[in-house]
Amino acid sequence: GESVGLHLPTLSVQEGDNSIINCAYSNSASDYFIWYKQESGKGPQFIIDIRSNMDKRQGQRVTVLLNKTVKHLSLQIAATQPGDSAVYFCAETLFSGYSTLTFGKGTMLLVSP
Amino acid sequence: ETGVTQTPRHLVMGMTNKKSLKCEQHLGHNAMYWYKQSAKKPLELMFVYSLEERVENNSVPSRFSPECPNSSHLFLHLHTLQPEDSALYLCASSQDSDEKLFFGSGTQLSVL
Repeated sequence: GESVGLHLPTLSVQEGDNSIINCAYSNSASDYFIWYKQESGKGPQFIIDIRSNMDKRQGQRVTVLLNKTVKHLSLQIAATQPGDSAVYFCAETLFSGYSTLTFGKGTMLLVSP
Repeated sequence: ETGVTQTPRHLVMGMTNKKSLKCEQHLGHNAMYWYKQSAKKPLELMFVYSLEERVENNSVPSRFSPECPNSSHLFLHLHTLQPEDSALYLCASSQDSDEKLFFGSGTQLSVL
């Protein structure tokens, strides 16, 4: 079946570095993509989203890039901070009236001071 | 705070017990969801309620029974669970015009 997966299970960076978390998706019909951050003991928290009619979207210190040709999604975090340490999930969907997000397994981001 | 509150935060139960998980959302949304999060597995969608009607049930065993009395409240009734049901159970809500989910902090369930 269709799935969303991540290339790197763990990413370790130094404080102040830029981080890039990658995600491959297989459903070419998906028209909405989203990134979540999950800290220990908490539920997933929305970071940024993007629709398939866009290639790039920027938020505060975060940028999502969508490459539909190779079905690839990435999350870039600028000037990574220790508070960014968490598991990051990508998810995709083709909207059907209520949310039917398909989630990837997640990437653990570890930021060293 | 995300506006989605789950209780209890932690639950330990035996296989013969009956317990319920509660979720309440204060966001004015009209769709609510139960997800299961196990170690090393993607989030698994269990149930979806849209406008208080169950619209999706992803082959979940009958020992899990959802209830949605109104658009703000969602329950997951548990009975005769198995140890492999131990996981983090997450509730989420959304507006039916939006794909974005808002999650609660989850209930960490341990079945002994």
